[in-house]
Parts: sequence; C-alpha cells; structure tokens
Amino acid sequence: EAGVTQFPSHSVIEKGQTVTLRCDPISGHDNLYWYRRVMGKEIKFLLHFVKESKQDESGMPNNRFLAERTGGTYSTLKVQPAELEDSGVYFCASSQGARGYEQYFGPGTRLTVT
Amino acid sequence: DQQVKQNSPSLSVQEGRISILNCDYTNSMFDYFLWYKKYPAEGPTFLISISSIKDKNEDGRFTVFLNKSAKHLSLHIVPSQPGDSAVYFCAARGWGKLIFGQGTELSVKP
Repeated sequence: EAGVTQFPSHSVIEKGQTVTLRCDPISGHDNLYWYRRVMGKEIKFLLHFVKESKQDESGMPNNRFLAERTGGTYSTLKVQPAELEDSGVYFCASSQGARGYEQYFGPGTRLTVT
Repeated sequence: DQQVKQNSPSLSVQEGRISILNCDYTNSMFDYFLWYKKYPAEGPTFLISISSIKDKNEDGRFTVFLNKSAKHLSLHIVPSQPGDSAVYFCAARGWGKLIFGQGTELSVKP
C-alpha cells in the first residue's frame, strides 16, 4: 500500500509569488490533514478535510492560504502571495476508520520564501 | 499556550539500555496520545498510541505509559538500538486534530 505522497519535495520562491503544494493521501482515507513546522519548532495543525469538506480550518494562518480537496482525493494548499514567515515544512497526513486517530504523514514539502 | 510539552530537547543513551522520553499535557479533553519518530528530511512516522482510558500500551520494544492524574505520558524503548536515533514527537488528539510537543532528539550510542 502506497503511503502519503507530497509534491514538490522542496520549493524556493520569492516573496510575493504563488506556490501550490499537493498531497495524495493513502488510498481510501477520507481524513486529510495539513500541518506545518516552522524553524524546527513544533508541528502545528492547519486544517482537516473529511472527503471534500473542510471539517476544521482553525489553524490556517490567514487568507493567503487556500486549501482544496476536489473530489475527495488529493488536496492542494496554495499560498498567495507568499511572505517570508511562510517558510517551513508543510506536512500532509491521512487517516481512516475506527483507528482514525492514527494519522500517517507524508515526507513533507520544504518551502523557502526569499 | 503550549498544550503539549516535551521539556527535554535531547537525550543520549547507551545501546542496549532503556530510553525514556517524557511528555506533559494540560488539557484533560484529549482522547488519544501518540508517539511519532522523525528522521531528518522525512515525515513523522507513527510509532504507538494509547487511549485516554488506558494506562499502558506495549508494542514490541516500545511501551507507552499514561498517568492521567499527572497529565503525563512517557515512551519507553527497551533495548535501545542505534537505529532508534531520531527526533521523537509526542502528540495528543483533541477535536480531531493532533497537537504536538516540540520533540526530543534521541541519540543511541553503540
């Protein structure tokens, strides 16, 4: 069974540009989460999808961040326009069913805004 | 306000000995607690979990203990192996999302 995949693995953009991160969850997983780790600190929750619906987006920093999950499969996280403080590692995780509390993480996308 | 805390940023242990990683939390509404292991440039890997209604869960060399009255959990690794060297994150589930501690870097020396 393939794990959670994320693309790209690394992105370097200039302040003011737009970047779109993609996450493919484990096949069949209805729950999809986005997290972010900034400057080696703790991993922080951004938002949670159940299928294509946003269940909780309380962790989204501001309206420059837009997440979508059309069709309830893969998800994208767009940052527009990017700011310096958006630099960090963005992780996607997925879970399913009775053991939905066990979230399985992808390798992350390292975003560097210069 | 940090709801999940790992107060030790690093821990060094000799191969074959026990590694004990600690975690404290503040919110009694958390329903599950999890430990993740993370290597550099990789995502966190799920290790072991425990329900808030349990006080111990064991899986091979890994055992998690939960002390609800103290709002404290710990991960025991016995025996420790050099391949266990990584950053370990404690996480608590609340309202569907995971809240992570800052991580403890474990170094197991041969």
